[in-house]
Amino acid sequence: DSGVTQTPKHLITATGQRVTLRCSPRSGDLSVYWYQQSLDQGLQFLIQYYNGEERAKGNILERFSAQQFPDLHSELNLSSLELGDSALYFCASSRMGGDNEQFFGPGTRLTVL
Amino acid sequence: DAKTTQPPSMDCAEGRAANLPCNHSTISGNEYVYWYRQIHSQGPQYIIHGLKNNETNEMASLIITEDRKSSTLILPHATLRDTAVYYCIVMGGGSNYKLTFGKGTLLTVNP
Repeated sequence: DSGVTQTPKHLITATGQRVTLRCSPRSGDLSVYWYQQSLDQGLQFLIQYYNGEERAKGNILERFSAQQFPDLHSELNLSSLELGDSALYFCASSRMGGDNEQFFGPGTRLTVL
Repeated sequence: DAKTTQPPSMDCAEGRAANLPCNHSTISGNEYVYWYRQIHSQGPQYIIHGLKNNETNEMASLIITEDRKSSTLILPHATLRDTAVYYCIVMGGGSNYKLTFGKGTLLTVNP
């Protein structure tokens, strides 16, 4: 158990819909990262927040957005969902924002029908 | 970020040492070598990281060559539960701390 929690574990929805994935980092961790893992693209970095502020952006679509709240939990919002958005979404956290290990949650499996 | 090259798959007998190689010939002086693994659809798990010295923890040892162009992850006594995809990642330098995962090495530990 990494100490990072993600909800829900599974999500099934239809194209065009909007969903919110939630992540609670390990106690004391200030950075949260979101990753997407699909069969064809592998594990891809989406976005990082550090202490409430966006720190780095990766291959995140404009239909996706994220935020980190004052209590340090984070939400990833996915809108206008397409079939290709079906994937595992992982959240990770780390103590700071630099060269330190990231601890991953169990992931949310999103299926878009 | 420096690119890494890993063999797509390796086999190891249970109880033997597993040695997983990684080439990172374009690594720059302030970049670290990180190793993570992913056991079937679970979240990736941090194993170890290093800059230029060899490192050891309770999970594994990391051997980095003197020129830092390659490294080897060593699992000293592999068990069936070590079957996973192992990712070698070069990260750091400046403010870029995102993990860039390649295809990794699928290590299969056989009984």
